[in-house]
This record gives sequence, structure tokens and C-alpha cells, in this order.
Amino acid sequence: NAGVTQTPKFRVLKTGQSMTLLCAQDMNHEYMYWYRQDPGMGLRLIHYSVGEGTTAKGEVPDGYNVSRLKKQNFLLGLESAAPSQTSVYFCASSLDSLNTEAFFGQGTRLTVV
Amino acid sequence: GNSVTQMEGPVTLSEEAFLTINCTYTATGYPSLFWYVQYPGEGLQLLLKATKADDKGSNKGFEATYRKETTSFHLEKGSVQVSDSAVYFCALSEDGGFKTIFGAGTRLFVKA
Repeated sequence: NAGVTQTPKFRVLKTGQSMTLLCAQDMNHEYMYWYRQDPGMGLRLIHYSVGEGTTAKGEVPDGYNVSRLKKQNFLLGLESAAPSQTSVYFCASSLDSLNTEAFFGQGTRLTVV
Repeated sequence: GNSVTQMEGPVTLSEEAFLTINCTYTATGYPSLFWYVQYPGEGLQLLLKATKADDKGSNKGFEATYRKETTSFHLEKGSVQVSDSAVYFCALSEDGGFKTIFGAGTRLFVKA
């Protein structure tokens, strides 16, 4: 019963480097989300997807790109990391528009130096 | 736009004390309301929810009532335990939609 799985769990990047965070869910959920969590600011939505092959911008999309080539996977990319992107990143999924409970992964702690 | 405001923390209580964490929301439609909990080093998990006015969500001794007249969804527990120490997030799901909007979170410390 894996639920939502994120990889990696920790990463340190140098400014300007790129990386991809992977999120996988095994619940056949339609919707998937990427959030970042910063102290005192709660969770802010970066990008989201309402189905395979679709993506949309959330509240703080700049500096990030996403792809949803398969229903179960949602990738978050940083093309050129900046210190301001130091954060904890959470992936989540929900079943559909009527069942909106979000299921979260355990998070990825990213530090950009 | 829609938003969620919850009381700032941290909240520090002794074991067996009564807990209230206030949450108010702004929404144009009829959102579903949630409380999520985040234990140290973990992701968020759903604690309870309510989908329409006057509904009461409850779980693990926690409860919250959807009050449309005061646009509130306050979290309460009659007797907290040390194991309840965590960050609590109030959230709403937009009417007919799928995006969840979170409050800033309230950290709770419970002392033995």
C-alpha cells in the first residue's frame, strides 16, 4: 500500500544545477499536485495536473516545469536552481473533483547552495 | 480569491488540556473543508473533513464543525496527548474543483 512516493528524499544542489523530482502514485488518482512548504507560509501550489498529459500553473510556478506523461507519475523539474528554491517539496494526489481529499508523499528536502 | 486564515502558533499545552485552533475561510461558493496534520518529518495526512454547512467532521478525538454563517471551521479536542504534537493545517477545496488551498499551519506542542 505505497500511496504517494517521492524520490529523492533529500538533495543538495549548487546554484545553476538542474534536477528532477519524481512523484508516483498507485491509487489511480486523476489529479496530482506539487507544493512547496516554507516556514510561516504553509503550502503553496507550484503546478498541478488534472489528468495524463495535462499540466497547469499554480500559485508559484516560476523556475519550475512539470510533466505528466503517465497517469501515475508527476515530475517536477528545476532547470537552473536558485537559493530561493531551497524548500521542502510535497507531491499530492486526489481522486477526482468530488473526492478531493489529498494524499501526500513524505516530502523532498532540497537545499540550493 | 478563496483563502484560509488560521491562528498563529505555536500553541503550547499541557497534557489533558482542551485544544482549540481557529480557522476562518473566504470562499465564493460552497467549498469542502479539511483539517490536515503533519507529524515531524512526514507529509500531511487528512485528519477530518466536512463537505457542507453544519456538518461535523471527527477523528481521533478531534472535531470541527462547518459554520457557514461565521465562515469558520475551528478544530477542537477535549484532552490532548503528547502524541498530538504536530502542525495542523486548515484547508478548503474549491467548489466543484480540485485544488486545495491551505492555511499557514499551527504548530502544537503538548507537554507531559
